[in-house]
Amino acid sequence: AQSVTQLGSHVSVSEGALVLLRCNYSSSVPPYLFWYVQYPNQGLQLLLKYTSAATLVKGINGFEAEFKKSETSFHLTKPSAHMSDAAEYFCAVSGTSYDKVIFGPGTSLSVIP
Amino acid sequence: DVKVTQSSRYLVKRTGEKVFLECVQDMDHENMFWYRQDPGLGLRLIYFSYDVKMKEKGDIPEGYSVSREKKERFSLILESASTNQTSMYLCASSSPPREDYGYTFGSGTRLTVV
Repeated sequence: AQSVTQLGSHVSVSEGALVLLRCNYSSSVPPYLFWYVQYPNQGLQLLLKYTSAATLVKGINGFEAEFKKSETSFHLTKPSAHMSDAAEYFCAVSGTSYDKVIFGPGTSLSVIP
Repeated sequence: DVKVTQSSRYLVKRTGEKVFLECVQDMDHENMFWYRQDPGLGLRLIYFSYDVKMKEKGDIPEGYSVSREKKERFSLILESASTNQTSMYLCASSSPPREDYGYTFGSGTRLTVV
């Protein structure tokens, strides 16, 4: 079975500062891992995904995430926060492409001018 | 470039009404899902479908039913709406085992039951 934890339900950063959103997963098989972003009153949009290729995954809007098997982590980073990055971010995992995707509880990112 | 379309962005219904939430995808995906999203509770899976006329219960199916008569359309039905079903409803689709695997979400329907 798969599960996801996201450390910190709310994260605030200053504009221009590093964004770091934490995600740890549990999976009995090599996982597929995802980060989704949700802007207010919208659906979820795929930011990036890991599917057993390169461990450092680059996504849209300057975000990237690194798969670390030894730490069972898939943290999301962006070197310089922008006001438009303010949103809810969800980490997600599935065991295979046939499995349902399990979502974490989400982290709300605020960007302070 | 719309791929998953939910018919309504906002709905207001009265207690006891039968409510239909419609979701259509144009990507020929086999799998479709309905979630509800509530503050502090994240996304909770209501029902999903792996094929036409197939449906499986998710984590919180009580008070809901679904219909999938065509591959592209997955409807969520609230048989008798109640105030505790006020929520944001999200539809998603996917098509394993393609390389571009991942869920594609609709824009959501914010339902208020009064």
